[in-house]
Amino acid sequence: EIVLTQSPGTLSLSPGERATLSCRASQSVSSSYLAWYQQKPGQAPRLLIYGASSRATGIPDRFSGSGSGTDFTLTISRLEPEDFAVYYCQQFGNSAWTFGQGTKVEIK
Amino acid sequence: QVYLVQSGAEVKKPGASVRVSCKASGYTFTSYGINWVRQATGQGLEWMGWMHPNSGNTGYAQKFQGRVSMTRDTSMSTAYMELSSLTSEDTAVYYCARAVSDSERRWFDPWGQGTLVTVSS
Repeated sequence: EIVLTQSPGTLSLSPGERATLSCRASQSVSSSYLAWYQQKPGQAPRLLIYGASSRATGIPDRFSGSGSGTDFTLTISRLEPEDFAVYYCQQFGNSAWTFGQGTKVEIK
Repeated sequence: QVYLVQSGAEVKKPGASVRVSCKASGYTFTSYGINWVRQATGQGLEWMGWMHPNSGNTGYAQKFQGRVSMTRDTSMSTAYMELSSLTSEDTAVYYCARAVSDSERRWFDPWGQGTLVTVSS
């Protein structure tokens, strides 16, 4: 099983600041199968990024994804109040999906 | 609009089984796979397996093999996930999610609203 490790566990930032979230895989993964989701308390996850760098429909352009191989990044260029949430990366490999443990972006 | 609407909360005793439903609307049900993911309180997301409504083919995470069954009723555009031999460690919110792919990429979108399953004596 491919393990995804997200860092940091918690990111404390102020609105307007830039957020950089990391997702590292235990072995190389296909960029085509790397996605990012946002989850707010009491809600289901929502797709943000797929194929490592493609924004989902309706996702603001302040969200961007990058990376390849074992290292992937989600960047939020300027945090809005509604962006404080937990973010998960996800990958498909060896016939199984796995998720990172999540990064919580909280208001400083 | 594409929606996945799940059945309501369940309370089960240890050793029992639970079946959660996921009704799809707004798209052709048999054209996309359905995956199941669970989340214990305060924890991360755990993939359980997939089912393709057209063929009924399934694939389960190793952890759940032998204990989970994913089926569908195409006439109702509804997918089902049944988990047996429940223990307190199965207490979680269970989500269904539509698997989408283009020529190269794959992702989950949308997700159902979640179903809380509580296992307690």
